[in-house]
Amino acid sequence: DQQVKQNSPSLSVQEGRISILNCDYTNSMFDYFLWYKKYPAEGPTFLISISSIKDKNEDGRFTVFLNKSAKHLSLHIVPSQPGDSAVYFCAAKNSGGYQKVTFGIGTKLQVIP
Amino acid sequence: DAGVIQSPRHEVTEMGQEVTLRCKPISGHNSLFWYRQTMMRGLELLIYFNNNVPIDDSGMPEDRFSAKMPNASFSTLKIQPSEPRDSAVYFCASSLRQAIGYTFGSGTRLTVV
Repeated sequence: DQQVKQNSPSLSVQEGRISILNCDYTNSMFDYFLWYKKYPAEGPTFLISISSIKDKNEDGRFTVFLNKSAKHLSLHIVPSQPGDSAVYFCAAKNSGGYQKVTFGIGTKLQVIP
Repeated sequence: DAGVIQSPRHEVTEMGQEVTLRCKPISGHNSLFWYRQTMMRGLELLIYFNNNVPIDDSGMPEDRFSAKMPNASFSTLKIQPSEPRDSAVYFCASSLRQAIGYTFGSGTRLTVV
Protein backbone atom coordinates (compact mmCIF):
# COMPACT_ATOMS: atom_id res chain seq x y z
CA ASP A 1 0.00 0.00 0.00
CA GLN A 2 1.63 3.20 -1.20
CA GLN A 3 1.25 5.83 1.51
CA VAL A 4 2.94 8.44 -0.69
CA LYS A 5 1.68 8.53 -4.25
CA GLN A 6 3.13 10.20 -7.27
CA ASN A 7 0.68 9.43 -10.02
CA SER A 8 2.59 11.00 -12.88
CA PRO A 9 5.58 8.86 -13.83
CA SER A 10 6.92 11.53 -16.17
CA LEU A 11 6.56 15.17 -17.13
CA SER A 12 7.98 17.24 -19.99
CA VAL A 13 8.23 21.01 -19.78
CA GLN A 14 9.74 23.68 -21.98
CA GLU A 15 12.70 25.58 -20.62
CA GLY A 16 11.57 28.77 -18.89
CA ARG A 17 8.09 27.48 -18.13
CA ILE A 18 6.76 26.26 -14.81
CA SER A 19 7.08 22.62 -13.76
CA ILE A 20 4.50 21.31 -11.32
CA LEU A 21 5.06 17.94 -9.69
CA ASN A 22 2.25 16.51 -7.61
CA CYS A 23 2.12 14.17 -4.65
CA ASP A 24 -0.68 12.71 -2.54
CA TYR A 25 -0.45 10.95 0.79
CA THR A 26 -2.80 8.79 2.77
CA ASN A 27 -1.29 8.65 6.25
CA SER A 28 -2.75 11.39 8.47
CA MET A 29 0.16 10.99 10.88
CA PHE A 30 2.61 12.45 8.38
CA ASP A 31 3.56 15.94 9.46
CA TYR A 32 6.75 16.63 7.55
CA PHE A 33 7.18 16.46 3.80
CA LEU A 34 10.29 16.45 1.65
CA TRP A 35 11.29 16.49 -1.97
CA TYR A 36 14.41 14.77 -3.23
CA LYS A 37 16.02 15.11 -6.63
CA LYS A 38 17.90 12.28 -8.30
CA TYR A 39 20.20 12.34 -11.31
CA PRO A 40 21.10 9.10 -13.12
CA ALA A 41 23.82 7.04 -11.42
CA GLU A 42 23.66 9.23 -8.32
CA GLY A 43 21.84 8.99 -5.01
CA PRO A 44 18.84 11.18 -4.24
CA THR A 45 19.68 14.59 -2.81
CA PHE A 46 17.48 16.61 -0.48
CA LEU A 47 15.83 19.55 -2.23
CA ILE A 48 13.20 21.23 -0.07
CA SER A 49 10.87 20.41 2.79
CA ILE A 50 7.74 21.69 4.50
CA SER A 51 6.24 21.22 7.92
CA SER A 52 2.54 20.56 8.29
CA ILE A 53 2.16 23.86 10.19
CA LYS A 54 2.88 25.70 6.95
CA ASP A 55 1.19 25.70 3.58
CA LYS A 56 4.06 27.05 1.52
CA ASN A 57 7.83 27.01 1.57
CA GLU A 58 9.98 28.73 -1.01
CA ASP A 59 13.66 28.35 -1.84
CA GLY A 60 14.79 30.19 -4.91
CA ARG A 61 13.13 28.69 -7.96
CA PHE A 62 11.58 25.91 -5.90
CA THR A 63 8.32 26.23 -3.96
CA VAL A 64 6.44 23.49 -2.18
CA PHE A 65 2.74 23.87 -1.44
CA LEU A 66 0.89 21.77 1.12
CA ASN A 67 -2.87 21.24 1.27
CA LYS A 68 -3.46 19.22 4.42
CA SER A 69 -7.19 18.86 3.98
CA ALA A 70 -6.66 17.30 0.58
CA LYS A 71 -3.54 15.41 1.70
CA HIS A 72 -1.80 16.85 -1.32
CA LEU A 73 1.46 18.63 -1.93
CA SER A 74 3.12 19.99 -5.03
CA LEU A 75 6.54 21.17 -6.06
CA HIS A 76 6.74 24.15 -8.38
CA ILE A 77 9.89 24.95 -10.30
CA VAL A 78 9.95 28.29 -12.05
CA PRO A 79 11.55 28.99 -14.38
CA SER A 80 12.47 25.43 -15.34
CA GLN A 81 16.00 24.85 -16.58
CA PRO A 82 17.49 21.90 -18.50
CA GLY A 83 19.61 21.09 -15.43
CA ASP A 84 16.40 20.42 -13.52
CA SER A 85 15.85 17.29 -15.60
CA ALA A 86 15.90 14.49 -13.04
CA VAL A 87 13.67 12.15 -11.07
CA TYR A 88 11.88 13.89 -8.21
CA PHE A 89 10.80 11.90 -5.18
CA CYS A 90 8.13 13.09 -2.79
CA ALA A 91 8.61 11.85 0.77
CA ALA A 92 6.88 12.13 4.11
CA LYS A 93 7.48 11.31 7.74
CA ASN A 94 5.95 11.48 11.18
CA SER A 95 8.29 13.67 13.21
CA GLY A 96 6.90 12.24 16.42
CA GLY A 97 8.18 8.81 15.70
CA TYR A 98 11.58 7.66 14.61
CA GLN A 99 12.97 9.05 11.44
CA LYS A 100 11.41 6.69 8.95
CA VAL A 101 10.82 8.54 5.71
CA THR A 102 8.35 7.07 3.23
CA PHE A 103 9.05 7.80 -0.42
CA GLY A 104 6.86 7.87 -3.51
CA ILE A 105 7.89 6.12 -6.72
CA GLY A 106 9.17 9.32 -8.31
CA THR A 107 8.34 11.54 -11.28
CA LYS A 108 10.82 11.91 -14.10
CA LEU A 109 11.02 15.54 -15.21
CA GLN A 110 12.43 16.45 -18.59
CA VAL A 111 13.04 20.11 -19.31
CA ILE A 112 13.30 20.68 -23.03
CA PRO A 113 15.68 23.44 -24.16
CA ASP B 1 33.63 15.08 3.84
CA ALA B 2 33.48 12.22 1.34
CA GLY B 3 29.79 11.63 1.82
CA VAL B 4 28.18 8.22 2.13
CA ILE B 5 30.35 5.66 0.37
CA GLN B 6 28.88 2.50 -1.10
CA SER B 7 30.63 -0.40 -2.74
CA PRO B 8 30.58 -1.92 -5.21
CA ARG B 9 28.91 0.48 -7.67
CA HIS B 10 27.80 -2.40 -9.85
CA GLU B 11 27.41 -6.08 -9.09
CA VAL B 12 26.40 -8.81 -11.49
CA THR B 13 25.94 -12.24 -9.99
CA GLU B 14 24.34 -15.54 -10.80
CA MET B 15 21.17 -16.70 -9.13
CA GLY B 16 21.90 -18.57 -5.93
CA GLN B 17 25.11 -16.73 -5.15
CA GLU B 18 25.70 -14.66 -2.04
CA VAL B 19 25.91 -10.89 -2.49
CA THR B 20 27.28 -8.42 0.03
CA LEU B 21 26.78 -4.70 -0.32
CA ARG B 22 28.82 -2.30 1.78
CA CYS B 23 28.26 1.16 3.19
CA LYS B 24 30.36 3.71 5.03
CA PRO B 25 28.17 6.45 6.51
CA ILE B 26 29.22 10.03 7.08
CA SER B 27 31.35 10.34 10.17
CA GLY B 28 29.28 11.47 13.14
CA HIS B 29 25.94 10.40 11.70
CA ASN B 30 24.16 8.05 14.07
CA SER B 31 21.34 6.87 11.82
CA LEU B 32 21.79 4.57 8.84
CA PHE B 33 19.23 3.37 6.34
CA TRP B 34 19.22 0.82 3.53
CA TYR B 35 16.77 1.50 0.70
CA ARG B 36 15.98 -0.42 -2.47
CA GLN B 37 14.82 1.33 -5.62
CA THR B 38 12.72 -0.40 -8.26
CA MET B 39 10.60 0.99 -11.06
CA MET B 40 7.41 -0.44 -9.62
CA ARG B 41 7.84 0.43 -5.94
CA GLY B 42 10.19 3.39 -5.94
CA LEU B 43 12.38 3.78 -2.86
CA GLU B 44 11.55 1.21 -0.20
CA LEU B 45 13.08 1.26 3.26
CA LEU B 46 14.66 -2.10 4.04
CA ILE B 47 16.20 -1.46 7.45
CA TYR B 48 17.04 1.40 9.80
CA PHE B 49 19.87 1.46 12.35
CA ASN B 50 20.27 3.98 15.14
CA ASN B 51 23.56 4.00 17.05
CA ASN B 52 24.44 0.70 15.31
CA VAL B 53 21.29 -1.01 16.59
CA PRO B 54 18.60 -2.22 14.15
CA ILE B 55 15.43 -0.30 14.97
CA ASP B 56 13.13 -1.23 12.11
CA ASP B 57 13.72 -4.17 9.79
CA SER B 58 10.09 -4.57 8.74
CA GLY B 59 11.02 -3.76 5.16
CA MET B 60 13.47 -6.61 4.76
CA PRO B 61 11.76 -8.76 2.13
CA GLU B 62 12.52 -12.19 3.53
CA ASP B 63 15.03 -14.26 5.38
CA ARG B 64 17.40 -14.20 2.43
CA PHE B 65 18.20 -10.60 3.35
CA SER B 66 20.27 -9.65 6.37
CA ALA B 67 21.99 -6.46 7.48
CA LYS B 68 24.63 -5.70 10.05
CA MET B 69 26.25 -2.64 11.50
CA PRO B 70 29.25 -3.81 13.55
CA ASN B 71 30.41 -0.25 14.23
CA ALA B 72 29.49 3.34 13.54
CA SER B 73 31.47 3.52 10.32
CA PHE B 74 30.42 0.38 8.47
CA SER B 75 27.31 -1.53 7.46
CA THR B 76 26.61 -4.48 5.19
CA LEU B 77 23.53 -5.76 3.43
CA LYS B 78 23.73 -9.41 2.46
CA ILE B 79 21.50 -11.43 0.16
CA GLN B 80 21.88 -15.21 0.31
CA PRO B 81 20.86 -16.82 -1.95
CA SER B 82 20.24 -14.12 -4.51
CA GLU B 83 17.37 -14.30 -7.00
CA PRO B 84 16.67 -12.40 -10.25
CA ARG B 85 13.86 -10.44 -8.56
CA ASP B 86 16.44 -8.93 -6.22
CA SER B 87 17.82 -6.96 -9.15
CA ALA B 88 17.52 -3.28 -8.19
CA VAL B 89 19.55 -0.30 -7.06
CA TYR B 90 20.35 -0.44 -3.36
CA PHE B 91 21.00 2.81 -1.55
CA CYS B 92 22.52 3.46 1.81
CA ALA B 93 21.78 6.76 3.57
CA SER B 94 22.87 8.31 6.84
CA SER B 95 21.81 11.24 8.98
CA LEU B 96 21.91 12.76 12.40
CA ARG B 97 18.87 11.66 14.30
CA GLN B 98 17.06 14.96 14.19
CA ALA B 99 18.17 15.99 10.72
CA ILE B 100 15.60 17.06 8.20
CA GLY B 101 16.84 14.86 5.40
CA TYR B 102 19.19 12.02 4.70
CA THR B 103 22.42 11.95 2.74
CA PHE B 104 22.37 9.13 0.25
CA GLY B 105 25.25 7.23 -1.26
CA SER B 106 25.50 6.73 -5.01
CA GLY B 107 23.96 3.28 -4.78
CA THR B 108 24.86 -0.24 -5.86
CA ARG B 109 23.20 -1.52 -9.00
CA LEU B 110 22.64 -5.23 -8.49
CA THR B 111 21.84 -7.54 -11.38
CA VAL B 112 21.09 -11.17 -10.64
CA VAL B 113 21.06 -13.36 -13.74
